Amino acid sequence: DTAVSQTPKYLVTQMGNDKSIKCEQNLGHDTMYWYKQDSKKFLKIMFSYNNKELIINETVPNRFSPKSPDKAHLNLHINSLELGDSAVYFCASSPRTTGELFFGEGSRLTVL
Amino acid sequence: KQEVTQIPAALSVPEGENLVLNCSFTDSAIYNLQWFRQDPGKGLTSLLLIQSSQREQTSGRLNASLDKSSGRSTLYIAASQPGDSATYLCAVEGGGADGLTFGKGTHLIIQP
Repeated sequence: DTAVSQTPKYLVTQMGNDKSIKCEQNLGHDTMYWYKQDSKKFLKIMFSYNNKELIINETVPNRFSPKSPDKAHLNLHINSLELGDSAVYFCASSPRTTGELFFGEGSRLTVL
Repeated sequence: KQEVTQIPAALSVPEGENLVLNCSFTDSAIYNLQWFRQDPGKGLTSLLLIQSSQREQTSGRLNASLDKSSGRSTLYIAASQPGDSATYLCAVEGGGADGLTFGKGTHLIIQP
């Protein structure tokens, strides 16, 4: 069974479009995250979210917004896509007890 | 601001050798440190998690140590195998909006 799953795995789109990436975890974890991995393979947190609190990395443009319909899902919406948004986006989750992160396989976004 | 550095950036060794990957971090006020493995085109797999109160963790042929006061961690891989070839990432958690801060990784190649 896939613990953290993301869809789509690949996404190619034009500048200016709005797109979403979905994430689901079946681990019963309390907290979910979105990370961005840039072309140099550097990973950086974008958001962390549990059912009480959304923490946003201040460097993330407000064109990016997480939406959590329930505890098992944290979707990433991106408005007015720019070339620099091209990256691999990773969803992750962790239990409150250990803080160990479990990652999805990533969604590669290419903006043309 | 936390910074994580991994040395070396790349390493190629013959199969069977024992090896050490190094990770250093600038702010010793961490909750935990994790080592991850990333295979090309794949997500991250958590290898070992060391809480701030612990000194080391072991899993199979892997052993990770943590010296919080000096801001260092090592990942020891015993009897390396070609299947160990991957990028190994070190990450520290400092809480709040920072989430996990990642190093840039060590790209490891085990030659058959």
